Amino acid sequence: NAGVMQNPRHLVRRRGQEARLRCSPMKGHSHVYWYRQLPEEGLKFMVYLQKENIIDESGMPKERFSAEFPKEGPSILRIQQVVRGDSAAYFCASSPVRQGGNQPQHFGDGTRLSIL
Amino acid sequence: DAKTTQPTSMDCAEGRAANLPCNHSTISGNEYVYWYRQIHSQGPQYIIHGLKNNETNEMASLIITEDRKSSTLILPHATLRDTAVYYCIVRVEGTYKYIFGTGTRLKVLA
Repeated sequence: NAGVMQNPRHLVRRRGQEARLRCSPMKGHSHVYWYRQLPEEGLKFMVYLQKENIIDESGMPKERFSAEFPKEGPSILRIQQVVRGDSAAYFCASSPVRQGGNQPQHFGDGTRLSIL
Repeated sequence: DAKTTQPTSMDCAEGRAANLPCNHSTISGNEYVYWYRQIHSQGPQYIIHGLKNNETNEMASLIITEDRKSSTLILPHATLRDTAVYYCIVRVEGTYKYIFGTGTRLKVLA
């Protein structure tokens, strides 16, 4: 979907395990955003990152969740000690370099996380 | 909280124009309106965005009222594949954060 690649598409974890979700932005995009979607709800913003920097993490739960976007490689959303309530679809979006502009975000097809 | 309100659902006959309204009465002068749609469980697909002038692309047209308090997304000839949830989004001023509401569930009928 618009070139943003997320993997895996589906991830199953048992309670207490760790989940790692990966996102490769579109070519030329250096801004990455993570959103979470529960069934029958809209997407909820979690975190906004640029290369090697977290810009806005106001939507991230205070514990167990972390995100990074290293200089090389994909952005990673990490959930430690998963619980059943973490079951959701997690979407990544990216946008181009220029700040302050109106460029839209482009979304990947998400990772569906299921906690047993 | 979402800065937009949309009808929960709409039906449209195949081949007819689908007009999806959105109210954003608290929008500020430099905030853009973005439209996305989500088909089944796919990621949101960007459709169009605008500031104050009407916009058109290969997918749709966007009509923004002069006072910018509302807008309408127009799919000129709806097809069955346009069945989706359509989201109208006003970006939080000064941030890159999208606030998604519950959107409009459009069903295109054969």
